[in-house]
Amino acid sequence: EAGVAQSPRYKIIEKRQSVAFWCNPISGHATLYWYQQILGQGPKLLIQFQNNGVVDDSQLPKDRFSAERLKGVDSTLKIQPAKLEDSAVYLCASSLGAGAYEQYFGPGTRLTVT
Amino acid sequence: DAKTTQPPSMDCAEGRAANLPCNHSTISGNEYVYWYRQIHSQGPQYIIHGLKNNETNEMASLIITEDRKSSTLILPHATLRDTAVYYCIVRSAMAGGYQKVTFGTGTKLQVIP
Repeated sequence: EAGVAQSPRYKIIEKRQSVAFWCNPISGHATLYWYQQILGQGPKLLIQFQNNGVVDDSQLPKDRFSAERLKGVDSTLKIQPAKLEDSAVYLCASSLGAGAYEQYFGPGTRLTVT
Repeated sequence: DAKTTQPPSMDCAEGRAANLPCNHSTISGNEYVYWYRQIHSQGPQYIIHGLKNNETNEMASLIITEDRKSSTLILPHATLRDTAVYYCIVRSAMAGGYQKVTFGTGTKLQVIP
C-alpha cells in the first residue's frame, strides 16, 4: 500500500514570497490533515478535511495560509506571503474517516524562510 | 482538550524494556489515549491506543490506570531503531462526531547500545 506522498521535500524561499505544498493521501482515505511542526515542538493541526469539506481550520492563519482539497483526494497548502516564523516542517496525514483510530503521516516538507 | 504531561527525555539500554509515562488527569470518560512516535526526519507513526483496558500489539503495550489519569507505554525489548520522540495524546471529540488529535512536546527516548 502506498503511503502519503508529499512534495516538495524541501523548499527555501525569501520572506514575502509565496509557496505551495502538495499532498496525495492514501487511496480511499476520506480525511486529510495538514500539520505545522516547528523545530522542537509537536505537530500542530492547521486544517482538517473530510472529503472536500473543511472540518476544522481554527488554527489556520487565514490571512496568509489557505488550503484546498477540490476533488476530495489531493490537497494543496499555500502560504502567501511567507514570514520568517513560517519556517517549519509541514506534515500531511490521512485517515479512513474522521473517527478512524490511526492517522498515516507523510514525510513532510521542510520550509525555510530567509 | 485534556492535556498530557510527559518527561522531556529518557534513556533506555538496548534490549531492556522502555517504560514511558504519561499523565492525563483531566481526561474525560469517552476520550481515548493514543501514542505516536516520530523518528528523526520522518512523520509521526501510530503505535497504539486505548480507552480503559490495557492493550497490546506487535509494537508495544499500553497500561492505563484504573482512574484513567495516567498511562504507560511499554516497549518490551528496546532496539536502537526505537530511538524517537514519543507522543502521548488524548483524543478529544469535536462537534459533528469528528475527532481531534493534539500533540504535545513528547518524550525523547534515547536507546543506548
